Amino acid sequence: KAGVTQTPRYLIKTRGQQVTLSCSPISGHRSVSWYQQTPGQGLQFLFEYFSETQRNKGNFPGRFSGRQFSNSRSEMNVSTLELGDSALYLCASSFPGRDGYTFGSGTRLTVV
Amino acid sequence: AQSVTQPDIHITVSEGASLELRCNYSYGATPYLFWYVQSPGQGLQLLLKYFSGDTLVQGIKGFEAEFKRSQSSFNLRKPSVHWSDAAEYFCAVVTNMNTGFQKLVFGTGTRLLVSP
Repeated sequence: KAGVTQTPRYLIKTRGQQVTLSCSPISGHRSVSWYQQTPGQGLQFLFEYFSETQRNKGNFPGRFSGRQFSNSRSEMNVSTLELGDSALYLCASSFPGRDGYTFGSGTRLTVV
Repeated sequence: AQSVTQPDIHITVSEGASLELRCNYSYGATPYLFWYVQSPGQGLQLLLKYFSGDTLVQGIKGFEAEFKRSQSSFNLRKPSVHWSDAAEYFCAVVTNMNTGFQKLVFGTGTRLLVSP
């Protein structure tokens, strides 16, 4: 079966811009989580969506937001980009949680 | 708060030698534990998971891990390392498993280098 698909793979944005990242989960998976990976902070939880509802949110500023659609695809948005937002953003899907989390290849965001 | 500690930042192992990567967790309830591997520029691949039952868990690529509740540990092992195993390895625990408010908490990772 197809894995978790994240698009785009790479992005370069300028400070102050906004960006939208997309994640298509494994078919049948209804939970989608987002993580930020940086060399300094490691892997940090951003938020989790289940059936179009945000169930859990990490400790990130309000510039980071997301949503989930009825087909379980999810998007995350970062507004007013800062240099520190440069990171690998990973999406994971799961069903119903006990099977583990399957990650996509990530989106590498570079803010200049 | 729940946490995962991977005490070794880097480990170098000769090809063909055995490997053990250490992981300690801090979590009050029954932990759900994972090991993931990440190659440069890639996402995370699940190696194995522990939810309950047999404390010795077999995973992909010849890896295994043993859950020891008394030591709060979940160490990853492989009897013979291949050059293709060079990567970064992450231990993780799922918090709040039964509440619906789940998230993975990761360790800081261990980078494995394989020498010829």
